Amino acid sequence: DAGVIQSPRHEVTEMGQEVTLRCKPISGHDYLFWYRQTMMRGLELLIYFNNNVPIDDSGMPEDRFSAKMPNASFSTLKIQPSEPRDSAVYFCASSFSPGTYYGYTFGSGTRLTVV
Amino acid sequence: QQQVKQSPQSLIVQKGGISIINCAYENTAFDYFPWYQQFPGKGPALLIAIRPDVSEKKEGRFTISFNKSAKQFSLHIMDSQPGDSATYFCAAYTGTASKLTFGTGTRLQVTL
Repeated sequence: DAGVIQSPRHEVTEMGQEVTLRCKPISGHDYLFWYRQTMMRGLELLIYFNNNVPIDDSGMPEDRFSAKMPNASFSTLKIQPSEPRDSAVYFCASSFSPGTYYGYTFGSGTRLTVV
Repeated sequence: QQQVKQSPQSLIVQKGGISIINCAYENTAFDYFPWYQQFPGKGPALLIAIRPDVSEKKEGRFTISFNKSAKQFSLHIMDSQPGDSATYFCAAYTGTASKLTFGTGTRLQVTL
């Protein structure tokens, strides 16, 4: 298994532009999580899905952020318009049962820089 | 609200020494406590985990100690090696929320 695949690995964009981050979870996993990592705030859960349905989006910073999971093998996180304070590493993770010893499998992340 | 407090923020240990990272939690509904290891440029990876009905779990050089009454748990890395240099996150999970809450992370550096 190739693991959780995220693209792009790096994204540099200008303030005000739309940014779309992509994630392919591990086949068979029915939970998908989007996290943001910064030095100041650590790992923050933005939103998670169960069976493609958004369950908790309370961590989404504001309306500029949106996430979708149109099918079991693909999810996107969109920021529109982007701002410099959105600069961070965004991780996608998947699991078939979060509360077990299998835990989450994280992707390698997308490093977003908004200038 | 930080539900899982982790310390220290950074740690330097000599090769062969013991690395100890501590975490404390408040929510008694947490029922699963994993530790994640993150190398630069990579996502966190599950290292070891424990449930609150046991006081200790050991896997190789890594041991979790769990104190349910104090609501604290810790990671011990025995015979620390330079390859253990990474950031370590404790976490806590509750089935009612179906999500993990992470600590703030500890950057471990193991020197020669």
